Amino acid sequence: GAGVSQSPSNKVTEKGKDVELRCDPISGHTALYWYRQSLGQGLEFLIYFQGNSAPDKSGLPSDRFSAERTGGSVSTLTIQRTQQEDSAVYLCASSPLPPNRPGEKLFFGSGTQLSVL
Amino acid sequence: DQQVKQNSPSLSVQEGRISILNCDYTNSMFDYFLWYKKYPAEGPTFLISISSIKDKNEDGRFTVFLNKSAKHLSLHIVPSQPGDSAVYFCAASASTGNQFYFGTGTSLTVIP
Repeated sequence: GAGVSQSPSNKVTEKGKDVELRCDPISGHTALYWYRQSLGQGLEFLIYFQGNSAPDKSGLPSDRFSAERTGGSVSTLTIQRTQQEDSAVYLCASSPLPPNRPGEKLFFGSGTQLSVL
Repeated sequence: DQQVKQNSPSLSVQEGRISILNCDYTNSMFDYFLWYKKYPAEGPTFLISISSIKDKNEDGRFTVFLNKSAKHLSLHIVPSQPGDSAVYFCAASASTGNQFYFGTGTSLTVIP
C-alpha cells in the first residue's frame, strides 16, 4: 500500500489477556518506530527498528511489552497480561532514512486504539 | 520527564488571521525539529521541519521559527483556514539519538 498500515484499528480486551498489534510499513522504509499516546499525553517512544534489529528498546515500559520485525518489513508489538494502564493509541511510523539523517521524517499509520477493560 | 513541551492545550483563531503555536524544549542536544498535524482517527502527518543551523523555515502558509538560546520554536500559520483545525505536535531529535521526542499537542480550531 501507499502508506503505513496498522491492524486492528480498534482492540478491546480484558485485563490479563495478551494482544498483538501489527504494523505494515511503507515498502522500502528501513526504519520503523512504535509510539503510544495515552489520553492527554504526548507521543511516547516505545521502540525503534533498523531493518530487523532493534537498536533502541529503551521506551518499552515493562517486560510485558515486546516487538519484533521480520523480513525488514512487518512488525508486531505484543503486550502480555494487559493492564488497564496499557489503554492507549499505539502508533507505528516508518522512515526511509536512519535516525537523524538530514531531512528524516516519520510517516505514521492511523494507529490501534487499545482498550483494556 | 517531558523534554518537549507545548503549554497551550488549545487555541482558537478566526479564519484569515494568524495562528501561532508554541513549543519549548529542555535538551540542548536537540538539533532537528518538526511539526506534525493530526486529524481525529488518523495518524500524525508531517508539516514542516527546521534544522538548528537555521532560525526560520517557510513553506507556503506555514513558517517555523527557532530560537535556540531560548530553546523555543513556534509555528505560524497565515492565513488560517478552517481546514487547519487539527491537533499540532511539535517534535525534536538529537543527531546522536534514535528517536523523536514529541510534545503533548495543541488543538487548533479555526473559526469560519
